[in-house]
Amino acid sequence: GENVEQHPSTLSVQEGDSAVIKCTYSDSASNYFPWYKQELGKRPQLIIDIRSNVGEKKDQRIAVTLNKTAKHFSLHITETQPEDSAVYFCAGTGSYIPTFGRGTSLIVHP
Amino acid sequence: EAQVTQNPRYLITVTGKKLTVTCSQNMNHEYMSWYRQDPGLGLRQIYYSMNVEVTDKGDVPEGYKVSRKEKRNFPLILESPSPNQTSLYFCASSLLGGGKGRNEQFFGPGTRLTVL
Repeated sequence: GENVEQHPSTLSVQEGDSAVIKCTYSDSASNYFPWYKQELGKRPQLIIDIRSNVGEKKDQRIAVTLNKTAKHFSLHITETQPEDSAVYFCAGTGSYIPTFGRGTSLIVHP
Repeated sequence: EAQVTQNPRYLITVTGKKLTVTCSQNMNHEYMSWYRQDPGLGLRQIYYSMNVEVTDKGDVPEGYKVSRKEKRNFPLILESPSPNQTSLYFCASSLLGGGKGRNEQFFGPGTRLTVL
């Protein structure tokens, strides 16, 4: 099945800094790349996604970039705020079954 | 309101006592799945279902059973729970099973299970 690796496992930044989380995937058939945010004590929720025919997608302070050749995609958060503190998960969708990365705990210090 | 519901939200039980965690969605989704979440291990898939009467094992199926008799319901059954099944469990559903177009996973609120 799909193998998805996510780095780093923990990321600590100062408020206002940028944060970047990276994922690599193994299945070249994957064509949909979502990012989920899980706040403490809550369920994961989709925050942004990208399809394989697009290289970059932005939504206000967050963006996702995709490099299909290298099989990796990244989440970029600019001007981080304390409410961005959460666990972020990427997912690969090869073989029709979504496979999640292990998650990145982002801590934004005021 | 479109949603995925799970019950119970919290459960403390003892080793060997059979239990069922229910999951229901009202979005007419074909795909449903169960995950367990443990510190440092992310979301690991237990079982999934592509449609009614179609279920398959995920990455960590041992000790669990599921059934999909109706499209909206996907219960998780622990026939003989053990302490290593203490975890946070999430049910999820989506409109299309993996890879085909947009496949946003909608998660339930989670069930925190403790097996003593």
